[in-house]
Amino acid sequence: GDSVTQTEGPVTVSESESLIINCTYSATSIAYPNLFWYVRYPGEGLQLLLKVITAGQKGSSRGFEATYNKETTSFHLQKASVQESDSAVYYCALASNYGNEKITFGAGTKLTIKP
Amino acid sequence: DPKIIQKPKYLVAVTGSEKILICEQYLGHNAMYWYRQSAKKPLEFMFSYSYQKLMDNQTASSRFQPQSSKKNHLDLQITALKPDDSATYFCASSQDLGGPYEQYFGPGTRLTVL
Repeated sequence: GDSVTQTEGPVTVSESESLIINCTYSATSIAYPNLFWYVRYPGEGLQLLLKVITAGQKGSSRGFEATYNKETTSFHLQKASVQESDSAVYYCALASNYGNEKITFGAGTKLTIKP
Repeated sequence: DPKIIQKPKYLVAVTGSEKILICEQYLGHNAMYWYRQSAKKPLEFMFSYSYQKLMDNQTASSRFQPQSSKKNHLDLQITALKPDDSATYFCASSQDLGGPYEQYFGPGTRLTVL
């Protein structure tokens, strides 16, 4: 089946430092899956942070970036300078490019930013 | 205002009992879903519904039964509860099934079975 592996948390980073959360995927039933990063802030529901549907493309949102690399089957999340408000749980995920009914998620990475 | 409401936020049940988890969405969406996240495991897709009809069921057990009384409701009935059912259950919705429609998630119901 399909699977997503991401950096095991918790991860603690100091404010204004750089961040990378690794994500690799295996899509046995999908040739070129759509790739996502979701985020869950404390007390809130899961929300889409960014999405990339084409291999080789980069997605960005709120200062975060991720590039769809089909050669290494990776979709790492990066930010050059984190803020305290970025503290949350981040989930890497994939879905079929024919339809996003079933999303396959990674286990999540809890990120805490130290002021 | 919250667009997807899940009730209750926390739920404690005894083994063998039955509970219903409530989900209502006010986004005007036609497709709704349930996911589950057990301790230290990824969110797992359970069901998808479109226009109140079951489209996909990835849950092996018939103890889990979605119920859609209205287009914007998708409740989850769980019978004969077991401790392994302890998890956070997330409801989601999207404009339609298929295509690049973004799924919007509710805040979850955390179920603990003793």
